[in-house]
Amino acid sequence: AQSVTQLGSHVSVSEGALVLLRCNYSSSVPPYLFWYVQYPNQGLQLLLKYTSAATLVKGINGFEAEFKKSETSFHLTKPSAHMSDAAEYFCAVNTDTGRRALTFGSGTRLQVQP
Amino acid sequence: NAGVTQTPKFQVLKTGQSMTLQCAQDMNHEYMSWYRQDPGMGLRLIHYSVGAGITDQGEVPNGYNVSRSTTEDFPLRLLSAAPSQTSVYFCASSPGQGLYGYTFGSGTRLTVV
Repeated sequence: AQSVTQLGSHVSVSEGALVLLRCNYSSSVPPYLFWYVQYPNQGLQLLLKYTSAATLVKGINGFEAEFKKSETSFHLTKPSAHMSDAAEYFCAVNTDTGRRALTFGSGTRLQVQP
Repeated sequence: NAGVTQTPKFQVLKTGQSMTLQCAQDMNHEYMSWYRQDPGMGLRLIHYSVGAGITDQGEVPNGYNVSRSTTEDFPLRLLSAAPSQTSVYFCASSPGQGLYGYTFGSGTRLTVV
């Protein structure tokens, strides 16, 4: 079985500040990890993914995430927040065994203050 | 390519009515899934399919049916709508294997009154 925990349902930062969204996973087999972003009234867009090729993964819009096996974490960061980053962010896990579908965390809503 | 297309975008149902949410993809993806999104709960898996003719239950399958007669289409049927099924529904597809991730449709917002 696999699961994802996102710490903090709401995160508020000032424009230009560091963004840090936390994700911890649980999986009995090697995981693939994903971050998706959802803007208001839209579907989900893939930000970045970890597929075991490199532990530091760069995505779109200046976001990156680091896979840390010892901490079972895959936190999302961005050095400088923009107003346009305000959205809901979802961490998800998948594997090559068992259920062949994504398991999502509960999401983190990012607010960016001017 | 249109990607993943969901219809309708909005729907209001009365309790007890049935309906089908449509999902089609034009990427020749083997894997397809249905999720529901509720505030504070993320996306929860309803049903999924790993190929035509093959479906399985997810976390919250009760009250929903699916079938997969073609690679392209994966409709979700609500048998007898209940207010607890008020939600936003997303369909997604993937080429297969966990590393590819999923492409999502734009969603169907369903209200059951």
